[in-house]
Amino acid sequence: SQQGEEDPQALSIQEGENATMNCSYKTSINNLQWYRQNSGRGLVHLILIRSNEREKHSGRLRVTLDTSKKSSSLLITASRAADTASYFCAPNTGGFKTIFGAGTRLFVKA
Amino acid sequence: DTGVSQDPRHKITKRGQNVTFRCDPISEHNRLYWYRQTLGQGPEFLTYFQNEAQLEKSRLLSDRFSAERPKGSFSTLEIQRTEQGDSAMYLCASSLEEASPLHFGNGTRLTVT
Repeated sequence: SQQGEEDPQALSIQEGENATMNCSYKTSINNLQWYRQNSGRGLVHLILIRSNEREKHSGRLRVTLDTSKKSSSLLITASRAADTASYFCAPNTGGFKTIFGAGTRLFVKA
Repeated sequence: DTGVSQDPRHKITKRGQNVTFRCDPISEHNRLYWYRQTLGQGPEFLTYFQNEAQLEKSRLLSDRFSAERPKGSFSTLEIQRTEQGDSAMYLCASSLEEASPLHFGNGTRLTVT
């Protein structure tokens, strides 16, 4: 497996605004997963998008995947203070190992 | 599904002491992972079990680290002769299949003084 690189490293927005985070990777993937981590807690799986999918929605989350550009984005709409967390992408090339980058730290101001 | 549980949640130890952490994965998950995370970084892969077999161990894991998963159920991670650089959050995760989502516990925060 390979490591995704999240961008930006940190993002600060007002409650109600949308937050967009990006992930880039280097080689072909089977799927790409996004995780959230609240301070002092474990990671929580948010969404998995397969390589043959271009967009996926889950509640206020929208994930896109562009395999030609080897990139993905996570959009959180109408953000809330409770969305304050670190977000990680995990591109999966097959195999068991999931490797994480440094993540994007999102801060939503109330 | 009670989730992945880790024990203890916090451990403070003096340099040179041994510590052991426990992870109970989701019962039907045969894959179990250990990660280490330091402040401001993403989790770093340490080791992986499929059932009771330890299939990969990261080069990050020095000889002072050992992990076991007897009978393919719970797992333990032991650190011998702890050093201040071992201070980190140790996360355990489990999954049902290869490439399927990981389910994480809330970690054990180790502080070595």
